[in-house]
Amino acid sequence: GAVVSQHPSWVICKSGTSVKIECRSLDFQATTMFWYRQFPKQSLMLMATSNEGSKATYEQGVEKDKFLINHASLTLSTLTVTSAHPEDSSFYICSAQTSPGIQYFGAGTRLSVL
Amino acid sequence: GENVEQHPSTLSVQEGDSAVIKCTYSDSASNYFPWYKQELGKGPQLIIDIRSNVGEKKDQRIAVTLNKTAKHFSLHITETQPEDSAVYFCAASIIQGAQKLVFGQGTRLTINP
Repeated sequence: GAVVSQHPSWVICKSGTSVKIECRSLDFQATTMFWYRQFPKQSLMLMATSNEGSKATYEQGVEKDKFLINHASLTLSTLTVTSAHPEDSSFYICSAQTSPGIQYFGAGTRLSVL
Repeated sequence: GENVEQHPSTLSVQEGDSAVIKCTYSDSASNYFPWYKQELGKGPQLIIDIRSNVGEKKDQRIAVTLNKTAKHFSLHITETQPEDSAVYFCAASIIQGAQKLVFGQGTRLTINP
């Protein structure tokens, strides 16, 4: 299957700082990537759809100014959690879509905000 | 919009036995149904998928069946092994274009040695 790299795998930050998470498709080009959030023992919750060269589409209830998404190339999308607070602590996972519409996921990033 | 229900939420089976996880979906337009395996602290891994033009697909010990009329699909794991222990998610989407996956609630599968 296709390989999606997500970095960092784990980050701890102080409240009020910003954190950037990178998602790369290593062996294919992805015009569309997705960002999810997952709480313990729960399913994946879609936050936004990231399209290369255009603005991301956010799901209802997700603050676009809080979670900045940039998809500047066909292999890279970034999620920046701005002014992070303890309630933003979670497991963030990206996926990249191949041309037939199949999504492959990154390994996830565990964010802990102190 | 699409709604996916997954059952059971937890499943415990003896090593070597079979495990079956079931999902139902609501949108008849959905035509793509992947299954993901997620191990603790990792991202979901695609293990098998099926499109609406087939009723069954098999890959070694894993198989998926689809009943479009009843709008349900199932994951079957035979000859289970301890490394099959994980959380399994079903999902549904329309494969054309940048369509979102709608996930089920997940099933925590435990294989007892």
